[in-house]
Amino acid sequence: EPEVTQTPSHQVTQMGQEVILRCVPISNHLYFYWYRQILGQKVEFLVSFYNNEISEKSEIFDDQFSVERPDGSNFTLKIRSTKLEDSAMYFCASTWTGGNTGELFFGEGSRLTVL
Amino acid sequence: AQSVSQHNHHVILSEAASLELGCNYSYGGTVNLFWYVQYPGQHLQLLLKYFSGDPLVKGIKGFEAEFIKSKFSFNLRKPSVQWSDTAEYFCAVIVTGRRALTFGSGTRLQVQP
Repeated sequence: EPEVTQTPSHQVTQMGQEVILRCVPISNHLYFYWYRQILGQKVEFLVSFYNNEISEKSEIFDDQFSVERPDGSNFTLKIRSTKLEDSAMYFCASTWTGGNTGELFFGEGSRLTVL
Repeated sequence: AQSVSQHNHHVILSEAASLELGCNYSYGGTVNLFWYVQYPGQHLQLLLKYFSGDPLVKGIKGFEAEFIKSKFSFNLRKPSVQWSDTAEYFCAVIVTGRRALTFGSGTRLQVQP
């Protein structure tokens, strides 16, 4: 069964460093998402991406964040200068339909720890 | 902005007990509703969804949920839980025309054999 894969599974970084989290969505999917979950808190929407551009973003997704689909298969989330409060589990998701069907296929997450 | 409340944070049941997890949302317009499940060490998976029609929807593994519009609720039920149902359960909504799912805080279900 096709699945969304994410790397790394866990990254530890120093405050102020740049981090890139990588995702390989399911191959025929067209819509891509990043969500995050701070420990003990809700899963929060960060950004959605379609046709090589951001289609929607939350207020969390400020100038420190960026997304890219560099090569037609990977979908990356970059945090330019990490802060302590960026420590969270980051989930990538994809779907083939752009309607609000909510049938997202999630990866297993990348745990980011900022020291 | 829409929000989702899951009032049960941690539920412990014995096998064969019945389950009902509460979910309420706040939004005045049209929403689609979902329950996702995350088994230990695994990714979030769709359990069931409601878009329109019959307000009682059936999902995988014997789960069902009922949409009660007047109560802004979408409670998840299962008549008889199994140890393998031990997981975290998330209710989520999406507003018509938007891309972003809004999740509840999750309910951790622990089923004891």
